[in-house]
Amino acid sequence: SQQGEEDPQALSIQEGENATMNCSYKTSINNLQWYRQNSGRGLVHLILIRSNEREKHSGRLRVTLDTSKKSSSLLITASRAADTASYFCATDATENQGGKLIFGQGTELSVKP
Amino acid sequence: GAVVSQHPSRVICKSGTSVKIECRSLDFQATTMFWYRQFPKQSLMLMATSNEGSKATYEQGVEKDKFLINHASLTLSTLTVTSAHPEDSSFYICSASYRGSGNTIYFGEGSWLTVV
Repeated sequence: SQQGEEDPQALSIQEGENATMNCSYKTSINNLQWYRQNSGRGLVHLILIRSNEREKHSGRLRVTLDTSKKSSSLLITASRAADTASYFCATDATENQGGKLIFGQGTELSVKP
Repeated sequence: GAVVSQHPSRVICKSGTSVKIECRSLDFQATTMFWYRQFPKQSLMLMATSNEGSKATYEQGVEKDKFLINHASLTLSTLTVTSAHPEDSSFYICSASYRGSGNTIYFGEGSWLTVV
C-alpha cells in the first residue's frame, strides 16, 4: 500500500497544551499537505509544504518536513477544544499525476476543556 | 475561491440497487477529479482518477465494474455504485484540480452512502 503512517493514532490533551502529530511516507514527493476532518464531515485544508521547504507556519500551526527521513510533523500550539478532530497528512508523489493525494492513517485529536 | 460540490450529501438505498453520486466543480473546469472512500474511523482511500473525456484509472483492488465513474464534462464527474451491498456503506468524497491551480486540490463535502 502507498498509504503513509501517522502517529499517534489517537491523542488526548488538555486545552492550552500543544499537540504534535507525525507522519511518515514512502515515496518521493512534490509536496505534503495536512488536512483536518471533523467527525462525519469533509476535509479542511490546513497547510501545504513543498519538498524543498523544511518548515512552515500558519497561525497556531507549525509543519516540518524532513525528506531524508520521509517524515513530517504537525504542531498545534495552545490547543483549543474546537481543535478536536481527525488530522491527516497527504502526499502528492512525484511519480503520480498532479492532484493525486495519498493519505496517512490519521490522528484523532481530542482536546479537553 | 474554487468550490467543489457533491450531491447527494446523504443517501440510503436498498441492497441490490444502484446509486449515483455527483461531483461538480462550480467555478472552474476540472481536468482531473479523484474519488476516495472512507470507512468510519479510517483514512481516505483513493479509488480512482477521473480524467475528462477518457476512462477512469482505478486503484488496485477497486472493482471498475462495480464503481462506475464518468467524467463527461469539465465540471462534472459521477460515481455510480452498482448493485450496492451493505459493505459498500461508506463516506465517498471527491476532489478536483485544474491546470494552473498549482498544487491546490479542492475537496467536495462528501457523500454518506448507507445500503440497507
